[in-house]
Amino acid sequence: GDSVTQMEGPVTLSEEAFLTINCTYTATGYPSLFWYVQYPGEGLQLLLKATKADDKGSNKGFEATYRKETTSFHLEKGSVQVSDSAVYFCALSDSSGGGADGLTFGKGTHLIIQP
Amino acid sequence: KAGVTQTPRYLIKTRGQQVTLSCSPISGHRSVSWYQQTPGQGLQFLFEYFSETQRNKGNFPGRFSGRQFSNSRSEMNVSTLELGDSALYLCASSATSGRRNEQFFGPGTRLTVL
Repeated sequence: GDSVTQMEGPVTLSEEAFLTINCTYTATGYPSLFWYVQYPGEGLQLLLKATKADDKGSNKGFEATYRKETTSFHLEKGSVQVSDSAVYFCALSDSSGGGADGLTFGKGTHLIIQP
Repeated sequence: KAGVTQTPRYLIKTRGQQVTLSCSPISGHRSVSWYQQTPGQGLQFLFEYFSETQRNKGNFPGRFSGRQFSNSRSEMNVSTLELGDSALYLCASSATSGRRNEQFFGPGTRLTVL
């Protein structure tokens, strides 16, 4: 079945550091890929998405490129801020089953940014 | 535009009871999905409803069921509660169904089973 693997952390960085959170996936079809962010006590917010190979999703300084050859969708940000502290989830939606499919999530990466 | 709302936000039940959770999607959205979030298993897909029909179902026992009304509001029911059902239950809505659609999540209902 489909699966998503990401580093769980916690990942602790200093403010203005470069961020990379790795995400790799296994899917039988041609999935769409997503990064969601969850702040304490809140639901998930979509951060960015990519629906086909070589697409780059970007939002709020975060970027991720859909790499079909390496089945990866790594999240990057050039300079993190304390306000970026949250849990980040990589997810995929696979069309191989036909019709509507739920999202398959990674375990989540807890990111802590220190001032 | 109002976001996805879930009620109640917190719930405490005892083993063997049943519970019903409610989700109101964003206005105009016709698809509602439910997810269970636990520290051990992470986020797992329960089921999706679109135009009052269950479109897809995750790997959960039959104790977990749902329905969707004509106004797209959805309810999720868990019968014969077990301790392991303690979790954050998240509802997500999207304009339509399909792998490309962005899902908007509600704040969740935190269920504690004693």
